[in-house]
Amino acid sequence: GQNIDQPTEMTATEGAIVQINCTYQTSGFNGLFWYQQHAGEAPTFLSYNVLDGLEEKGRFSSFLSRSKGYSYLLLKELQMKDSASYLCAVRDRSNDYKLSFGAGTTVTVRA
Amino acid sequence: DVKVTQSSRYLVKRTGEKVFLECVQDMDHENMFWYRQDPGLGLRLIYFSYDVKMKEKGDIPEGYSVSREKKERFSLILESASTNQTSMYLCASSERGRLVYEQYFGPGTRLTVT
Repeated sequence: GQNIDQPTEMTATEGAIVQINCTYQTSGFNGLFWYQQHAGEAPTFLSYNVLDGLEEKGRFSSFLSRSKGYSYLLLKELQMKDSASYLCAVRDRSNDYKLSFGAGTTVTVRA
Repeated sequence: DVKVTQSSRYLVKRTGEKVFLECVQDMDHENMFWYRQDPGLGLRLIYFSYDVKMKEKGDIPEGYSVSREKKERFSLILESASTNQTSMYLCASSERGRLVYEQYFGPGTRLTVT
C-alpha cells in the first residue's frame, strides 16, 4: 500500500502564497492527484501529475518529483474561498482504479 | 457536468439495524467507489466496482457489503450497524479508458449510529 503524509493545518493571509507538501511511499507509482474539499461538500479534482515537473492551472500549480516521492500544491494570490481541505492521493500501478488518500491539509485564509 | 447523487445527506440509525446507502451517477461511468471519511484518517476505500455485478474489496471492507445491479447505481450495505461505523460516507465514480481517471464525488452521507 501507500504511506501518504501531508501537514494537518496551514494558515495564510489573503493575497499570499501557500505551499502544501505531500510525501508518499509506493511500490508502483502511477499518478498523483490533488483534490479540494470545502467543509461539508464533496471533494473536487484540482490536478494530476504523473511525470516530474510543474503543472500550472491558473492560480494553482502542482509539482511532482518521483525520485523523491514528493509533491506540492501551490496556491497563489490566496482568496477567502480557498479556505478548504486539500487532499493528496496516489494511484498505484498494481490497480489503476484505486486511489489512496492522505489525511488532508486544512488551509485557513485570513483577511 | 458529471453528477453523483447519494440518497441521504444525514442518516441516524440504531445499533444492529441494516442500513442501505444508495449512490447514482449519470455519466455512464464504469467505475464506482465507496469511501468513508474520518477526521485525521482521510478517505479510506471500502469497496469498489469496475463493472455491473463486479466488486472488489478496498482497504476496510469488514462490516460492509455492496451491490451493483445496474451500471449507474452502487449500493453500500451495513448488515448490522455498529457505533464505530458512524462516519461520513462518500461515493465516487470514474471513467475507464481515460489516462487521468479522476474520480467524481457525491455530496456524502453523514451516518450516525446510536
